[in-house]
Amino acid sequence: GQNIDQPTEMTATEGAIVQINCTYQTSGFNGLFWYQQHAGEAPTFLSYNVLDGLEEKGRFSSFLSRSKGYSYLLLKELQMKDSASYLCAVFSGNTPLVFGKGTRLSVIA
Amino acid sequence: DSGVTQTPKHLITATGQRVTLRCSPRSGDLSVYWYQQSLDQGLQFLIQYYNGEERAKGNILERFSAQQFPDLHSELNLSSLELGDSALYFCASSPSTGGSSGANVLTFGAGSRLTVL
Repeated sequence: GQNIDQPTEMTATEGAIVQINCTYQTSGFNGLFWYQQHAGEAPTFLSYNVLDGLEEKGRFSSFLSRSKGYSYLLLKELQMKDSASYLCAVFSGNTPLVFGKGTRLSVIA
Repeated sequence: DSGVTQTPKHLITATGQRVTLRCSPRSGDLSVYWYQQSLDQGLQFLIQYYNGEERAKGNILERFSAQQFPDLHSELNLSSLELGDSALYFCASSPSTGGSSGANVLTFGAGSRLTVL
């Protein structure tokens, strides 16, 4: 089976940097995705990692360490609109994407 | 607009009833996935179809069934509904069957919110 852990909630200040961690246990790891989901809306794709290291995409970066079963999503220059849930999801073997329960981020002024 | 269309957006029904949720994938995508999202459970994978054939099955109850038609749209049928089936049901599509390619990103529809009273 697969196990994906993320903190349930985080709070950060507008303009700051926040790091959302994700740890996973799986066999046959193929890749890790991060999605953003505003309340009641569809998840939207943010980033994808398959090799170790950092992937940067504007204000968002994602890091992966396969040996540690660990990833993080880094959000810089936080804006109020970044208040949302951030979902870590893993591809393993040929099974479809398995999601963690998500981290609810609140950005405060 | 993600390109994945789901209908209806909202549905309220009674226990014991049956409903059908519909999904049209993004143009060019061959795979359709169904996910259920409850308040305390996160996104749970139900079932995947690829080009009309069932490809993978997750935590889908026997009371639930799905199919993908030749035009690639998919329907999720939920029967003998219970209070606990109240949830957001998301459809997602991707170009192929899955795997490690970052090109095979899942694109989600806006969801169908089911309320069972």
